[in-house]
Amino acid sequence: AQTVTQSQPEMSVQEAETVTLSCTYDTSENNYYLFWYKQPPSRQMILVIRQEAYKQQNATENRFSVNFQKAAKSFSLKISDSQLGDTAMYFCAALDSGGGADGLTFGKGTHLIIQP
Amino acid sequence: GAGVSQSPSNKVTEKGKDVELRCDPISGHTALYWYRQRLGQGLEFLIYFQGNSAPDKSGLPSDRFSAERTGESVSTLTIQRTQQEDSAVYLCASSLGGANTGELFFGEGSRLTVL
Repeated sequence: AQTVTQSQPEMSVQEAETVTLSCTYDTSENNYYLFWYKQPPSRQMILVIRQEAYKQQNATENRFSVNFQKAAKSFSLKISDSQLGDTAMYFCAALDSGGGADGLTFGKGTHLIIQP
Repeated sequence: GAGVSQSPSNKVTEKGKDVELRCDPISGHTALYWYRQRLGQGLEFLIYFQGNSAPDKSGLPSDRFSAERTGESVSTLTIQRTQQEDSAVYLCASSLGGANTGELFFGEGSRLTVL
């Protein structure tokens, strides 16, 4: 099992700005997966981006990218050109390669507010 | 529908009553998860079903909580003798195979309020 820490309970930026959400994790596994999920006010969690630990290249999905620093066990999410629709809770999650539910751990979340 | 469906969307009950929450996963998804999310908090794992294997019940907080799933279909989470501390959003998710396939697909949750 892992621990996942999100140290920013809430962040607020202006529309069109770039924002970075931080996440650190701790695992004894060598192979694992990292995720960022978004939970808008509708409550439905949506996968934003996924990173496999054995891949050195940072994952990118349109305006969303990660800064994965394996040695530092850091997995931050960068949102470029932020939009009002990006307002949501963002959860970082880690999964070890063994799979199963016990291996999937979520952080406590960061509430991101995009101001018009 | 194509997504994970949960019902009821909202449930208000009196302390001591039993409640049943339903989750209809995406067709073909062998894995199903229940999580609890208290107000302003992260996700707390409750129970995990994978195909016909014995479920992982390690997250259930007390014996008042139970869940069933028949094969790879609908799951029901039952909370007996509800307490005010049970008030939360209960989220269900499903995935192809185990969580290491990458993506969990979540429902919109059932908000339970215990008066």
